[in-house]
Amino acid sequence: DIQMTQSPSSVSASVGDRVTITCRASQGITNWLAWYQQKPGKAPQLLISDASNLESGVPSRFSGSGSGTDFTLTISSLQPEDFATYYCQQSFTTPITFGQGTRLEIK
Amino acid sequence: QVHLVESGGGVVQPGGSLRLSCEASGFTFNNYAVHWVRQAPGEGLEWVAVTSHDGGIKSYAESVKGRFTVSRDNSKNTVFLQMDSLRADDTAVYYCARDRGPYSSGWFVSWGQGTLLSVSS
Repeated sequence: DIQMTQSPSSVSASVGDRVTITCRASQGITNWLAWYQQKPGKAPQLLISDASNLESGVPSRFSGSGSGTDFTLTISSLQPEDFATYYCQQSFTTPITFGQGTRLEIK
Repeated sequence: QVHLVESGGGVVQPGGSLRLSCEASGFTFNNYAVHWVRQAPGEGLEWVAVTSHDGGIKSYAESVKGRFTVSRDNSKNTVFLQMDSLRADDTAVYYCARDRGPYSSGWFVSWGQGTLLSVSS
């Protein structure tokens, strides 16, 4: 199985800050990577697919980059509604696997 | 508007069985693959299974292979997850999620609200 490792596991930031979350795959996955946001008690929401493709309706402050084994999710200017847990996920091969999550908290 | 509603969760004893349902609306159901993803309490996300748009191709996580079966009834816009030989570590919220197309791209584009399974004696 492909292991997905996110860092950091948690981060504290303030409204307006720029935040970057990284995700590393245990083997190359080209651009078969997605990012999800999950708020407490809610289902995850797809933010970015194909490593950098912003899903419809997702604010442009979210962006993704990377290829191969190393990927990043960047939030350019944090808004109050962005405080949540973020997961990366690979779909290069089955089983589909997720990172352990990054909890983004208010400082 | 895409809408997915899971049902069938509950409390089951170890070794028992349960069937989850995922009823879809707001899109042409038989054009899309559907996945099951679960989340244990306080934990991360785990992909469980997928069925292609016509049920012809199915795939499972190793942790459930041989115990869980995914199926679909396109006449009822519903996907099922039959879960047998349940174990305590199957306890989780189970989500169904629609894919981008008829076969698995692995992108979980739309999600239901989830249904909770608790395996406990």
